[in-house]
Amino acid sequence: EVQLVESGGGLVQPGGSLRLSCAASGFTFSSYEMNWVRQAPGKGLEWVSYISSSGSTIYYADSVKGRFTISRDNAKNSLYLQMNSLRAEDTAVYYCARDHMVPFFDYWGQGTLVTVSS
Amino acid sequence: DIQMTQSPSTLSASVGDRVTITCRASQSISSWLAWYQQKPGKAPKLLIYKASSLESGVPSRFSGSGSGTEFTLTISSLQPDDFATYYCQQYNSYPLTFGPGTKVDIK
Repeated sequence: EVQLVESGGGLVQPGGSLRLSCAASGFTFSSYEMNWVRQAPGKGLEWVSYISSSGSTIYYADSVKGRFTISRDNAKNSLYLQMNSLRAEDTAVYYCARDHMVPFFDYWGQGTLVTVSS
Repeated sequence: DIQMTQSPSTLSASVGDRVTITCRASQSISSWLAWYQQKPGKAPKLLIYKASSLESGVPSRFSGSGSGTEFTLTISSLQPDDFATYYCQQYNSYPLTFGPGTKVDIK
């Protein structure tokens, strides 16, 4: 069974940093592209970042470019999102989502809440 | 960036109703469109990909159609489990973008 489990969310002050993790199981993690998608409270879905299976290709939404860094460790079956210079508008539930060879998402984690507030 | 719109934003319907949601792209995306269902407090669930391909395990009352810039998601006979919010997503190009969602609630 495919499982994606996010962790690392919490309350952080504006300007602060946080690192999210996503532990994958039930599939060959190193063969799949991965993404982060977020959802602000009561709002819609926003794609955040993509990383290829090898980690060699990465894309970001303009809203996070230069502040967030996506990475992966295929040996640990894990995906990461390093978030720096956090702003109030980054407050959201962050989901990791598996890419289906083309970039739609066939499996999602349960999400982890990031709250940016003083 | 490709902008996605959905109509209506909210839809009130009864069990057994036929429901149609429209999604429009700001430029042609061929058939590179997916539909998701999301219930409160839960992650989205993939329903349809490539505009009209039904994801494995999704009931056949869900169907998708369209190409280019206009797409529809149809639920042929609404069931109690279908009251949720539905999102379209284009994957023609990065940045990937979602529609704002259509909430289907009980009339």
